[in-house]
Amino acid sequence: DIVMTQSPDSLAVSLGERATINCKSSQSVLDSSNSKNFLAWHQQKPGQPPKLLIYWASTRESGVPDRFSGSGSGTDFTLTISSLQAEDVAVYFCQQYFTTPRTFGQGTKVEIK
Amino acid sequence: QVQLVQSGAEVKNPGASVKVSCKASGYTFISYYMHWVRQAPGQGLEWMGIINPSGGSTNYAQKFRGRVTVTRDTSTSTVYMELSRLTSDDTAVYYCARELVVVAVNRPFDYWGQGTLVTVSS
Repeated sequence: DIVMTQSPDSLAVSLGERATINCKSSQSVLDSSNSKNFLAWHQQKPGQPPKLLIYWASTRESGVPDRFSGSGSGTDFTLTISSLQAEDVAVYFCQQYFTTPRTFGQGTKVEIK
Repeated sequence: QVQLVQSGAEVKNPGASVKVSCKASGYTFISYYMHWVRQAPGQGLEWMGIINPSGGSTNYAQKFRGRVTVTRDTSTSTVYMELSRLTSDDTAVYYCARELVVVAVNRPFDYWGQGTLVTVSS
């Protein structure tokens, strides 16, 4: 199974400041035949189901604000919130869909400082 | 609009089974795989299994094989997840999540159900 490891486990950021979350996979999730990274980011607000934010490591889902961006390739990925808003308080999970079983990072809790 | 509506919360005794439903609407049912993922209290997300609603084929996480069964009813666009021999460790919120069917190319989960809390307690 591919193990996904996120860092940090939690972070507190001031409103309007940048938040950066890292995700590392135990093996590459890059398909060299199509140059796609099979990596998604989901946002989970308290009491709600997860919501897809980003897929193919860097493609924003429709309706997701452009302050959210994803980067990285192979085994190392980053989710950046460029200017944190109050409504961004949530837990963020990375997930690989390169292979089955689909696996998730342990989650990163983002709070307001 | 796309909706995945799950059945309500359940309380079960240890050793019992639970069956959770996920009713899909707003899209072509057989065009999307359905996954089941669970989240224990305060914990992360754990993938359990997948069903192809078109033919009914399934694949389960090694941890749950022999204990989980995922089925579907195409006439009602509903997927079911049954988990047997429950223990307190199975107390969790269970989610269904869909994935677009694209031959030979996995896709991300793009919609999730609202979740069903299953509590196992004597």
